[in-house]
This record gives sequence, structure tokens and C-alpha cells, in this order.
Amino acid sequence: SQTIHQWPATLVQPVGSPLSLECTVEGTSNPNLYWYRQAAGRGLQLLFYSVGIGQISSEVPQNLSASRPQDRQFILSSKKLLLSDSGFYLCAWSEQLTAEAFFGQGTRLTVV
Amino acid sequence: SQQGEEDPQALSIQEGENATMNCSYKTSINNLQWYRQNSGRGLVHLILIRSNEREKHSGRLRVTLDTSKKSSSLLITASRAADTASYFCATVGGYNKLIFGAGTRLAVHP
Repeated sequence: SQTIHQWPATLVQPVGSPLSLECTVEGTSNPNLYWYRQAAGRGLQLLFYSVGIGQISSEVPQNLSASRPQDRQFILSSKKLLLSDSGFYLCAWSEQLTAEAFFGQGTRLTVV
Repeated sequence: SQQGEEDPQALSIQEGENATMNCSYKTSINNLQWYRQNSGRGLVHLILIRSNEREKHSGRLRVTLDTSKKSSSLLITASRAADTASYFCATVGGYNKLIFGAGTRLAVHP
């Protein structure tokens, strides 16, 4: 069966520090991969998605970047965090055809 | 930008009552999906309805889709306290991109 791992679960980082959140998927090949951000009590904002290794599409210009170094690994990064980067970050994957998405448990990032 | 918009933003009901949540979207879709999120957790897929379907059932869930009105509804029958969560609709466009609405926060009181 397929599983998705996202870590860490919580993170407190100072302004100006770098960020690296990692997400890995097991049990499937060539998944679509997504990074979403959710502000408190709000919906999900799509940040990045990838349909293959090395292919990244950005939805919203911002202080973040994403990379897909391996088929089932998706990384969200920042060189210098801003206060506005605080939020709940969710990684997800979907199969190419059905588009039903499976989510990780999320990372709560607090920038102080 | 958000594709789906849920209505109402919040809903408070008693156990045993039915809960209805609505979703409107703006562009053509391949399918529409509903997800549930418990507080502070990831989202869980509930049901998917394709653009050529009008109604779909799964246990106590009933989803309808009206593509002419660009709207969908999720009905939870005989609600339970464990149904307390946020519910999101999501539309699927190119590259299977899921675009989510702002969600409906459902509170079911014992």
C-alpha cells in the first residue's frame, strides 16, 4: 500500500533562517506531488506541484522553492524565512489518472 | 487563487441531524472531490464525483454535482460527534492540480 511521510511535524525557526521540509512517498511510481500551505482556519493554497523528476511548477510567487531530486521525494525550501511564511504546510501525492490526493500529516511552521 | 468556495463557512448542528455543505466553482472541471480535515491534521479524501455524474453516495455521504450551475453539495446524514471537522471541496484541472476552497467548519454537538 502507498504511504506518505512528511517531517518534521512542528518547526520553530527564526526570521532569516533557512528551511527544508521533506516529503517522501512509498508504494507508487511517478506520482504527482504537491505542496500546499494553510493559514489558520483557512483553505489550502497550492504552492508547488510536480509531475516528474526535476519538473516543478510554481503557483504563487514567494519566498519559497521546491525540488524533486528523486521520483518520490519532494522538498520545500527557503533561503531566508519571513514571518509571513508561518503556517501549516501539507505535502500530497496523486496518481496520474484518478487525481484522488493523499496527504501527509503536515508541518506546522512558526517563524519567530 | 481558490477555485471552489464552500458555503456556509461554519455549521453547528446536533447529533442525528443532517449537515449540508455547498461548493461553487468557476471554471470547467474534470471532477470534483470532497475532503475532510480534523484539526491540525492532513486531509482525508471522502468522495470523488466526475463531471458526467450528477449524484454519488458513500455510506452516510451524498454528493451532488450541477455543472450548469458550477456547484456541488455534500450531505452528511444522521451526523455524529465524530463528524466534527472541516470539509473542503476541490476541483481538478490540468496536471491533476487540486484547487481547494476555504472549507466549512462543521461542529456536531452530542
